[in-house]
Amino acid sequence: GAVVSQHPSRVICKSGTSVKIECRSLDFQATTMFWYRQFPKKSLMLMATSNEGSKATYEQGVEKDKFLINHASLTLSTLTVTSAHPEDSSFYICSARNRDEFFGQGTRLTVV
Amino acid sequence: AQKVTQAQTEISVVEKEDVTLDCVYETRDTTYYLFWYKQPPSGELVFLIRRNSFDEQNEISGRYSWNFQKSTSSFNFTITASQVVDSAVYFCALSEVPTGANSKLTFGKGITLSVRP
Repeated sequence: GAVVSQHPSRVICKSGTSVKIECRSLDFQATTMFWYRQFPKKSLMLMATSNEGSKATYEQGVEKDKFLINHASLTLSTLTVTSAHPEDSSFYICSARNRDEFFGQGTRLTVV
Repeated sequence: AQKVTQAQTEISVVEKEDVTLDCVYETRDTTYYLFWYKQPPSGELVFLIRRNSFDEQNEISGRYSWNFQKSTSSFNFTITASQVVDSAVYFCALSEVPTGANSKLTFGKGITLSVRP
């Protein structure tokens, strides 16, 4: 299947700082990427749909100013968690779609 | 609105046993896609299968098989002769339209499968 690379896999940051997570589709061009959040032992919650060259579409209840999404090229989308707080600690996972949806390895964010 | 229900939350089996993971879905669309993903402890989601709503043929891939029953809105997944490496969380998911650019995946809550040696 297709390869989606997400980086970093783990990050620990101080409260109040910002963290950027990258999602790359390595072997296909993805006009659409998705960002999910997963709490421990829970399902995946779609946060936003990232469209290349345009603004992301956020799901209800997701703060646009807190979770900044940029999809500058057909192979790269980034999620920036701004002014992170401990409650933002979670597992974030991206996906890229061609015919099927392929997921990155996920990023474990811990805010201390 | 669409919904995916995975009623089983945790299943534990002994190696070599067969195990079936249930998935029931709800959708108003006549055309849709169903998926199964595996999430091992490392965290990444591994694509296992996509099935469109027009194709009710059962599928077998090695030790994995899928039973799609449109009449009961179910898409169950069976692992034959389970192995320890099958231990993971398994998600069933539904796409509301054929996988176009912005169609979203609705996930079930996942089933944690533990295979004991």
